[in-house]
Amino acid sequence: KNQVEQSPQSLIILEGKNCTLQCNYTVSPFSNLRWYKQDTGRGPVSLTIMTFSENTKSNGRYTATLDADTKQSSLHITASQLSDSASYICVVSYVSGGGADGLTFGKGTHLIIQP
Amino acid sequence: GAGVSQSPSNKVTEKGKDVELRCDPISGHTALYWYRQSLGQGLEFLIYFQGNSAPDKSGLPSDRFSAERTGGSVSTLTIQRTQQEDSAVYLCASSLGSNGQGSIQYFGAGTRLSVL
Repeated sequence: KNQVEQSPQSLIILEGKNCTLQCNYTVSPFSNLRWYKQDTGRGPVSLTIMTFSENTKSNGRYTATLDADTKQSSLHITASQLSDSASYICVVSYVSGGGADGLTFGKGTHLIIQP
Repeated sequence: GAGVSQSPSNKVTEKGKDVELRCDPISGHTALYWYRQSLGQGLEFLIYFQGNSAPDKSGLPSDRFSAERTGGSVSTLTIQRTQQEDSAVYLCASSLGSNGQGSIQYFGAGTRLSVL
């Protein structure tokens, strides 16, 4: 069964600190892995997308890593800002054959940045 | 428009009533997706459109749910005889393609449905 597990479920850190969010998956055949940021009351917004051959990808202060062997990904946030407070959702895409790639969503990590 | 637009942003209805939720995707995006997000839960896939056809309806939770897309653009999600468990945020997303790198989905702000 395709599954995406994210940890921690929630996290509170002080402004300016770094943090790392984890995503473990059992999805196959793997196509790509995306991280989305979802602000409260808004739709998710794509941060990064990585294919099998990509180990790391950065988007400003966000850096995502992917280890396709262990089926793990992390999202590292550097020098956190209050605006980083949001839910971060890991989404793994699998090849479904004819039609769109299937998507398996994690439940997200709820991150709170405190001043 | 610049992004995916959903309407209404909020909908309160009585149990047993029908509701229609609308999604205007980004112009030129051929793929359109509907999701449901219940409180404290992850995103739940409902249905996917490629053009006007829906190759994947596997996520629709019951026959009370239906969706259509016309002109390869606007989509409507209809829930008949609403139940309290239908209360959730319904998110629509569109993408340029449906596979690989072209499939980054752009989400609307969602419709918050409350069934009393």
